[in-house]
Amino acid sequence: QVQLQQWGAGLLKPSETLSLTCTVYGGSFSGYYWSWIRQSPGKGLEWIGEINHSGSTNYSPSLASRVTISVDTSMKKFFLIMSSVTAADTAVYFCARVALRNNALDSWGQGTLVTVSS
Amino acid sequence: EIVLTQFPGTLSLSPGERATLSCRASQSVSSTYLAWYQQKPGQAPRLLIYGASSRATGIPDRFSGGGAGTYFTLTIRRLEPEDFAVYYCQQYSASSGFTFGPGTKVDFK
Repeated sequence: QVQLQQWGAGLLKPSETLSLTCTVYGGSFSGYYWSWIRQSPGKGLEWIGEINHSGSTNYSPSLASRVTISVDTSMKKFFLIMSSVTAADTAVYFCARVALRNNALDSWGQGTLVTVSS
Repeated sequence: EIVLTQFPGTLSLSPGERATLSCRASQSVSSTYLAWYQQKPGQAPRLLIYGASSRATGIPDRFSGGGAGTYFTLTIRRLEPEDFAVYYCQQYSASSGFTFGPGTKVDFK
């Protein structure tokens, strides 16, 4: 059974860079897309972007200019970098696996609360 | 971008009752790419239904999904105490990526 475990800095100042890591345990890493989603009280669940084992990415158009998702297939990890954060980026960030054939998010990390405050 | 609307916003019911949750899309969605999730406080969402009507692994058969095009439903046949939570629909399209509805909260009457 696949499990996702995520971590990263939880408190940032405006203009700093958000950095999160998600490690995949069990199951196959190759062949899937791996996604980042965030959840804030004001905007609900919001998809950030995804990456596959070979590094092919897709991003939400609204965040693409500030987001980079990368992967280390050998370590079964993928990463989220978001630059120039503001208070509007305060949210719980989740990593998740994208299921084959139907693009449902079938396994999720535990979530990381990221707060942006001066 | 495909916008999903869920209604009602809150559904107040008692254990044993039937819950019907609705999700409407701003344009037609492929049933293949319509999913439903359950979320409890402090937890990540959990996949319940994929492909509009297929239950995910380990999901009890009191949960069922239906619909097509722009209107989809999630039905919980007889509510158990552990079913009181927030439910989200989600769609995927090549043009919009993933989008989620705002959620329906099922709480105790």
